[in-house]
Amino acid sequence: QKEVEQDPGPLSVPEGAIVSLNCTYSNSAFQYFMWYRQYSRKGPELLMYTYSSGNKEDGRFTAQVDKSSKYISLFIRDSQPSDSATYLCAMSAWDDMRFGAGTRLTVKP
Amino acid sequence: GAVVSQHPSRVICKSGTSVKIECRSLDFQATTMFWYRQFPKQSLMLMATSNEGSKATYEQGVEKDKFLINHASLTLSTLTVTSAHPEDSSFYICSARGAGEVDTQYFGPGTRLTVL
Repeated sequence: QKEVEQDPGPLSVPEGAIVSLNCTYSNSAFQYFMWYRQYSRKGPELLMYTYSSGNKEDGRFTAQVDKSSKYISLFIRDSQPSDSATYLCAMSAWDDMRFGAGTRLTVKP
Repeated sequence: GAVVSQHPSRVICKSGTSVKIECRSLDFQATTMFWYRQFPKQSLMLMATSNEGSKATYEQGVEKDKFLINHASLTLSTLTVTSAHPEDSSFYICSARGAGEVDTQYFGPGTRLTVL
């Protein structure tokens, strides 16, 4: 079993839809949870960074962490075509990072 | 499947020395490997892209003589930080992409470099 599981998609939604992206993990030592957005030929851009269980909101993005279930989510409200990208979850315990495989999202106008 | 490892996970070195970081794809052939640098709580900065058997393509602003990248086989790429200085201290992450894949990258766990 991989330490981090993420459905690679692809996921296609109409503009304005609510998008839900998820990752599960197996290592309870993970303390920091991140979501990155990556456009083609670019480095992953940090979207959300959370430490504890609960929700964190930033504009149209909400990150949710449930440590008891070892499950994290990223919600995108009012999705836009510009949100079309690959979304990577990542988590770390100190300096040891683990990434999900990434979910390819397409938002259609 | 699709596991990428990095070695070492942490390294501390003296200023002026060179450090080599290895990135290996353990169960697939990586035709393309990427090297990133990350500062705390920031995005990953793409440093260079390497294709097996050819020279790496460096991003603007990355010194190719300082950050030597070799992708000699389909399972191994190395990043050598030459004449390291304290400002080179960072978290270095590699990722790998297999033949025929367009968007998917598999990331290594990263290497923490501290230059004293």
